[in-house]
Amino acid sequence: GDSVTQMEGPVTLSEEACLTINCTYTATGYPSLFWYVQYPGEGLQLLLKATKADDKGSNKGFEATYRKETTSFHLEKGSVQVSDSAVYFCALITGNTPLVFGKGTRLSVIA
Amino acid sequence: NAGVTQTPKFRVLKTGQSMTLLCAQDMNHEYMYWYRQDPGMGLRLIHYSVGEGTTAKGEVPDGYNVSRLKKQNFLLGLESAAPSQTSVYFCASRSDSNSPLHFGNGTRLTVT
Repeated sequence: GDSVTQMEGPVTLSEEACLTINCTYTATGYPSLFWYVQYPGEGLQLLLKATKADDKGSNKGFEATYRKETTSFHLEKGSVQVSDSAVYFCALITGNTPLVFGKGTRLSVIA
Repeated sequence: NAGVTQTPKFRVLKTGQSMTLLCAQDMNHEYMYWYRQDPGMGLRLIHYSVGEGTTAKGEVPDGYNVSRLKKQNFLLGLESAAPSQTSVYFCASRSDSNSPLHFGNGTRLTVT
């Protein structure tokens, strides 16, 4: 079945450091790909998405490019802030199937 | 603009007790989902619904039942709670198969 693998955390960075969280997927067909973010005590929120190969999703300074050749959707940010501390989930969907999530990566940014 | 609302926010049960978690959405979404979130396990799908009156099993359905009698509500029931059901439960909804999920803020359940 479809699956998502993302790098295990936790990831601890200093403010203004560069961030990359790796995500690779296995899917039949042509999935849509998502990154969700979960702040402490809250539900998940959509951060960005890409629906076809070579699409780049972006939001709040975060970016991710849908790479079909490497089946990847890595999350990047050039300069993280303390307010970016959260858990990040990579996810995919194919057709009418429910969303499949990775296990999440906890990011802590220290001042 | 309420979005997805879950009640209650917290609950403590004794083993063997029953309870129902309520999820309500005011966005007229067709699809609704119940997930549980456990440390190191990410989100696992319990049950889902693709429209009023329909339900389907997800990855971890055992010990849970659901009902979708009204389009806006999706109920998750535990008939006989077990300590293994201690978790944070999230409800989510979306309008169609290509739309992103909207999540509630979760219900933290402890079974002693």
